[in-house]
Amino acid sequence: EPEVTQTPSHQVTQMGQEVILRCVPISNHLYFYWYRQILGQKVEFLVSFYNNEISEKSEIFDDQFSVERPDGSNFTLKIRSTKLEDSAMYFCASSAGELFFGEGSRLTVL
Amino acid sequence: SQQGEEDPQALSIQEGENATMNCSYKTSINNLQWYRQNSGRGLVHLILIRSNEREKHSGRLRVTLDTSKKSSSLLITASRAADTASYFCATDRARAQKLVFGQGTRLTINP
Repeated sequence: EPEVTQTPSHQVTQMGQEVILRCVPISNHLYFYWYRQILGQKVEFLVSFYNNEISEKSEIFDDQFSVERPDGSNFTLKIRSTKLEDSAMYFCASSAGELFFGEGSRLTVL
Repeated sequence: SQQGEEDPQALSIQEGENATMNCSYKTSINNLQWYRQNSGRGLVHLILIRSNEREKHSGRLRVTLDTSKKSSSLLITASRAADTASYFCATDRARAQKLVFGQGTRLTINP
């Protein structure tokens, strides 16, 4: 069964460092998403991406965040200067109708 | 905000019993979906119900949707210990648009 894969599964970083989270969406999907889940809280939408551009973003997705599809298969989320409050699980999803989520990347900012 | 609340926030039942979780939302929707999340893991899609559907079944799962009340319920019959997880409903307002998640119900099945 096709699946969305994410790397790394867990990353620990110092505050102020840049982090790149990677995702390989399902190959024939055209819509891509990043969601975030702070520990014990609900899943929050960050950004959606279609046709090589952002189609929608939330208030959380400020100038510190960026997304890219550099090579037609990977879909990355970059946080330029991490803050303590960026510690969360980050989920990538892709869609051709129904959303399929990856297992998530746990980011811990110290 | 598109999403409302899920209740209960936590539910603990004995194995074999049925578990019912509810979800409410605030705006008109295209689809409503239910996801399961085991602790520290990803989101597993359980079932999707469209706005023009009222009930859907999948194995031991039964989902209802009442668009007049803007609410949905997820029933898990004959619960098993492996059903222990958090369950989230999520709504979208159009195809391929973002999902808005509820707070989730933490379900514990006691053996």
